[in-house]
Amino acid sequence: DAGITQSPRYKITETGRQVTLMCHQTWSHSYMFWYRQDLGHGLRLIYYSAAADITDKGEVPDGYVVSRSKTENFPLTLESATRSQTSVYFCASRRGTSGAKTYEQYFGPGTRLTVT
Amino acid sequence: GENVEQHPSTLSVQEGDSAVIKCTYSDSASNYFPWYKQELGKGPQLIIDIRSNVGEKKDQRIAVTLNKTAKHFSLHITETQPEDSAVYFCAARLAWGGSEKLVFGKGTKLTVNP
Repeated sequence: DAGITQSPRYKITETGRQVTLMCHQTWSHSYMFWYRQDLGHGLRLIYYSAAADITDKGEVPDGYVVSRSKTENFPLTLESATRSQTSVYFCASRRGTSGAKTYEQYFGPGTRLTVT
Repeated sequence: GENVEQHPSTLSVQEGDSAVIKCTYSDSASNYFPWYKQELGKGPQLIIDIRSNVGEKKDQRIAVTLNKTAKHFSLHITETQPEDSAVYFCAARLAWGGSEKLVFGKGTKLTVNP
């Protein structure tokens, strides 16, 4: 059971380049989330998706684009990376809105992104 | 919007002692309060959670209490062990009109000294 995986685990890119971070889950969870983690800010929600083709903004969406054509994948794209987007990015997923444990979010291992 | 305050930011205890981390939230509509443990270089791991219709929940050495009136909830770890050393995050879930979000506290770095 692979669970939730992220790739790459580490990425260095230059300012202005486009970068895509991948997230894949094997649980068929309805919801998927992208967070960024920065010192002094904790975890902040960037975007989330309630199902394939349904996405919604979180707390800090500017500069990011998401898509969800398949339930299991939720890529996050930085269209033109900036130094302020240097961070650790976590993907998470959870089940839909019925049944027990529906609110539990499970996190991936993270991607450490450095923008130079 | 929802705001979650977490204290203390760092906590050092001796092995075998208890540790308590406290969080307050601002929006009374929040209905779910998870706690996550994050070890160095890893993603957050859910360790315990509580819903707004419950006042206390326990799982072996960890427990969470919720006071809805005061809008605060706490994590209690008893008989701490060195492997409990990590950063702990609290969060509050807010949902409205088909949207939802988890708002996290800024974390508590717990060190358990052998």
